[in-house]
Amino acid sequence: QKEVEQNSGPLSVPEGAIASLNCTYSDRVSQSFFWYRQYSGKSPELIMSIYSNGDKEDGRFTAQLNKASQYVSLLIRDSQPSDSATYLCAVILSGSARQLTFGSGTQLTVLP
Amino acid sequence: EPEVTQTPSHQVTQMGQEVILRCVPISNHLYFYWYRQILGQKVEFLVSFYNNEISEKSEIFDDQFSVERPDGSNFTLKIRSTKLEDSAMYFCASSEAIEQYFGPGTRLTVT
Repeated sequence: QKEVEQNSGPLSVPEGAIASLNCTYSDRVSQSFFWYRQYSGKSPELIMSIYSNGDKEDGRFTAQLNKASQYVSLLIRDSQPSDSATYLCAVILSGSARQLTFGSGTQLTVLP
Repeated sequence: EPEVTQTPSHQVTQMGQEVILRCVPISNHLYFYWYRQILGQKVEFLVSFYNNEISEKSEIFDDQFSVERPDGSNFTLKIRSTKLEDSAMYFCASSEAIEQYFGPGTRLTVT
């Protein structure tokens, strides 16, 4: 069964801290990885995409990919209360052209 | 900034009725998708559409479901005979290549 796994949380961090969100996937041939943010009752919002091993930074967000370990993570620096949301990891698994397979999400709360 | 739009925001229907959910993808995007999210559960892929035909579909997307691009801007999802278990948020998404952008969703409630 090809799957995407995330710790459901909840994860609480104080304002200004680094939040670290993790995701593992079962299909070692996967090539495309995404992080979405979903506020309660809203739709997923694309934050980051990553396709190559290593780090990719965009503002306060850094995505990290390790294909050998089948692991992708999202770091949020200088966390703000407005970052409080559920973060969804999504992967395009092998055998699929563009179908996103989502994890169950990690609920993040940033405490003022 | 261009965005995906969906109508209606909330649809209530009775079991066995047909519903059509509408989406306007981002104008220069070529790939269109439907996903659904049952309350408290994962976002699940239903179908992708490219060049006026279905390119991928999941096991959820059975004969009760159909998609159509009736004109140059709209993309629709039809559920022919709704069941209670079809109650969910339905998200339309579009992409120019791989990165998919989601619309605000339609909450479908089947009673």
